[in-house]
Amino acid sequence: AQTVTQSQPEMSVQEAETVTLSCTYDTSESDYYLFWYKQPPSRQMILVIRQEAYKQQNATENRFSVNFQKAAKSFSLKISDSQLGDAAMYFCAYFILDSNYQLIWGAGTKLIIKP
Amino acid sequence: EPEVTQTPSHQVTQMGQEVILRCVPISNHLYFYWYRQILGQKVEFLVSFYNNEISEKSEIFDDQFSVERPDGSNFTLKIRSTKLEDSAMYFCASSAGTGLGTQYFGPGTRLTVL
Repeated sequence: AQTVTQSQPEMSVQEAETVTLSCTYDTSESDYYLFWYKQPPSRQMILVIRQEAYKQQNATENRFSVNFQKAAKSFSLKISDSQLGDAAMYFCAYFILDSNYQLIWGAGTKLIIKP
Repeated sequence: EPEVTQTPSHQVTQMGQEVILRCVPISNHLYFYWYRQILGQKVEFLVSFYNNEISEKSEIFDDQFSVERPDGSNFTLKIRSTKLEDSAMYFCASSAGTGLGTQYFGPGTRLTVL
């Protein structure tokens, strides 16, 4: 079964600190893309970062970086220097290449930023 | 920066009525998707669309649902006879191609069925 597990329903972090959101997934395929999306209270879905499974190097995007462990099927998101605007739901998702490209989603982690 | 747009932002309808949700994907994208998110639940895939036909659809996408690309820019989702359980946020997404992969989402349409 293709599943995504986000084991932390809610996380809180002090402003300017670093926080890591966890994500594990299950697939027997080897070629896939992984994503983190952010959903603020407006409920818009905003792409944060993406990782191609064939790449060993972890993706980074400014204050956002991932720790991708393919063998462990783990894809955590690290947010450095947390800002109030980072407060949102964060969803981990992936799709398999050469398939129907539907994204498989986790249940989300609510990130609270304490001023 | 190009973006996916959706209208309306919020639609309220009576049970049994038809609704059409509209999306304008990013102009050079070829793959289009609809997802929905019931409040407090996971995002669920509904349908993908390529080359003017459905590529894949989920079990949720039954005969009450249909999609259309009526012209070169719009991509619509129609629900023929809405049910209370259709109340959700509906997201349209588009991607440039299979190898490029990243799906960019619109701001969503909140559908409320009374």
